[in-house]
This record gives sequence, structure tokens and C-alpha cells, in this order.
Amino acid sequence: AQSVTQLDSQVPVFEEAPVELRCNYSSSVSVYLFWYVQYPNQGLQLLLKYLSGSTLVKGINGFEAEFNKSQTSFHLRKPSVHISDTAEYFCAVIPPYGGATNKLIFGTGTLLAVQP
Amino acid sequence: DTAVSQTPKYLVTQMGNDKSIKCEQNLGHDTMYWYKQDSKKFLKIMFSYNNKELIINETVPNRFSPKSPDKAHLNLHINSLELGDSAVYFCASSPTGLEQYFGPGTRLTVT
Repeated sequence: AQSVTQLDSQVPVFEEAPVELRCNYSSSVSVYLFWYVQYPNQGLQLLLKYLSGSTLVKGINGFEAEFNKSQTSFHLRKPSVHISDTAEYFCAVIPPYGGATNKLIFGTGTLLAVQP
Repeated sequence: DTAVSQTPKYLVTQMGNDKSIKCEQNLGHDTMYWYKQDSKKFLKIMFSYNNKELIINETVPNRFSPKSPDKAHLNLHINSLELGDSAVYFCASSPTGLEQYFGPGTRLTVT
């Protein structure tokens, strides 16, 4: 069964520092990859997605992620974080079954805690 | 101009009661979902509907029954609520079955 691993449950970082949130998935076939952000007491917002094509994907709020098929990773990066980036970040995959049977399989989340 | 909305936002009820959560999307998407987020923030899919037809049912107890009166609405009815049902329930919709757009969530507390 498909699974997603986010090794870091919490990542503390100072404002304006760079950050990387790690995500690895288990699959020997191509998958679709996503990062979602959940601000406190809110729903999930799509940050970025990798469906095909360029392995470097740019998203909203200055975030980007790189798909690495050989390492089955999809790490999220931002060169300079702001206090407002403090949130829970979820990596997710969709196995390529196709159509309406697609279901997001989420990692356990990483809390990005930006300190002044 | 809310895309995916849920009501209520908070729901506090006692064990054994029956309750419903409503979801509406105005995006014109064909596919809608219910996800459950537990106290450790783990998210898991419960159901998926495509154009009012049940597509995914992820080993959810029979006490949970989704209903889709039309493709813009997907409601979740829960019978005989248990303490373990306490969680945040998210509705989502998708145009393609890939990128999914989530509602704000309904925090259910069973006492």
C-alpha cells in the first residue's frame, strides 16, 4: 500500500532563514505529489503539485518542491520564511489509478514553527 | 464567494446522538470527498462521490452514511455517536480527481 513519510514532526526556524520540509513516499510507480498547508483552525490549502514534467515545482507563498524519483522524495523548500508561514504542512500522494477513484494519502504532517 | 463550505463549524453532542454535517461546493466539480482528521492531525479519506455516485468507501463504520442530493452537495450523517468519533471532518471537491479543494472543517466533539 502507498504510504507517505514526513520524518520531522516539528521544524523550528528563525524568521528569514531558509527551510526544508522532508517528504518521502513509497512507490515503484509514478505518483502524483502534493503539498498542502493548514493554518491554525483552518482547512487545507493546496501549496503546489507535481503531476508530470519539470521536477522543480513552484507554488504559492514562495514555496517550491523538487521531485526526485530515484530517492522517492518530494521535499518542500522556502529560501526565507516569515512568521506568517507558521502552520502544519502535509505532503500527500495520489497513486495513478485514475479518475474519480483517486484518493489523497497524507503524511503525518510537519509543524513549521517560525520564531522571530 | 466561498468555494467549499461546511456547516456547522463546531458541533458538540453527547454519545448516542445522531448528527449531520453539510457540505456545499460552488466550483462545479463532479467529485466530492469526506476526510477525517484525528487528534494527532492525521488525515484519512472516508468517502468519495462522483456525480452523486459513491466511488470510495474506506472501511468506515456503518454508522456513517454520506448522502449526495446533487453534485454540489455531500452531507455526512452519523448515527449513535461515540467518543472516538471526535475529530475534525473535512469536505473537499475536485474537478479532475487530482487537486482537491478543502472546506474549513467541522470540529465534532462527542462527550
